[in-house]
Amino acid sequence: AQSVTQPDIHITVSEGASLELRCNYSYGATPYLFWYVQSPGQGLQLLLKYFSGDTLVQGIKGFEAEFKRSQSSFNLRKPSVHWSDAAEYFCAVVLGSGNTGKLIFGQGTTLQVKP
Amino acid sequence: SQTIHQWPATLVQPVGSPLSLECTVEGTSNPNLYWYRQAAGRGLQLLFYSVGIGQISSEVPQNLSASRPQDRQFILSSKKLLLSDSGFYLCAGENGSRVQYFGAGTRLSVL
Repeated sequence: AQSVTQPDIHITVSEGASLELRCNYSYGATPYLFWYVQSPGQGLQLLLKYFSGDTLVQGIKGFEAEFKRSQSSFNLRKPSVHWSDAAEYFCAVVLGSGNTGKLIFGQGTTLQVKP
Repeated sequence: SQTIHQWPATLVQPVGSPLSLECTVEGTSNPNLYWYRQAAGRGLQLLFYSVGIGQISSEVPQNLSASRPQDRQFILSSKKLLLSDSGFYLCAGENGSRVQYFGAGTRLSVL
């Protein structure tokens, strides 16, 4: 069955340090891949997406992600973390053809930023 | 771009009471609409999706139902709430681009 795995439940980094959040997926074809961010008590905001083409995609708030087909991975990175980046991050893959796209989410990674 | 409105933001309901959560979409027509639930400390689970008025697909058997009476309106309901229905409910819309935009969510506490 298709699945998305985020191996790290919690990550703590110091402000200004670099960040990498891991995401692995299990899917037969090349999926549509997403990273969303959720602040406490809020909805999800799209950070970036990968559909095809260049495997390094740029998103909002200085985030980027790299699609690696050989590793079935779509890791999220940021060169320098800001305190406002503390939130929960979800990797997701869209399943389905036709005119519906059901999102399958990873369990999420909670990012804590130390001053 | 589309905007997803959800209300109420917070709801506390007794066990056995009915539920109605509403989601409306602005900025696009004929969207695909989705209801997700996020239980405490867990990821998001797709509950229902709809590709048009009156068309509802259920992903998991449960105590909830969904309806789409208008193109841009998606309602999540229950006749009798259970404790296990507590959670954070998110509505999302997608206009065929495969990108889903989310509302701010409803925090439901069943006591």
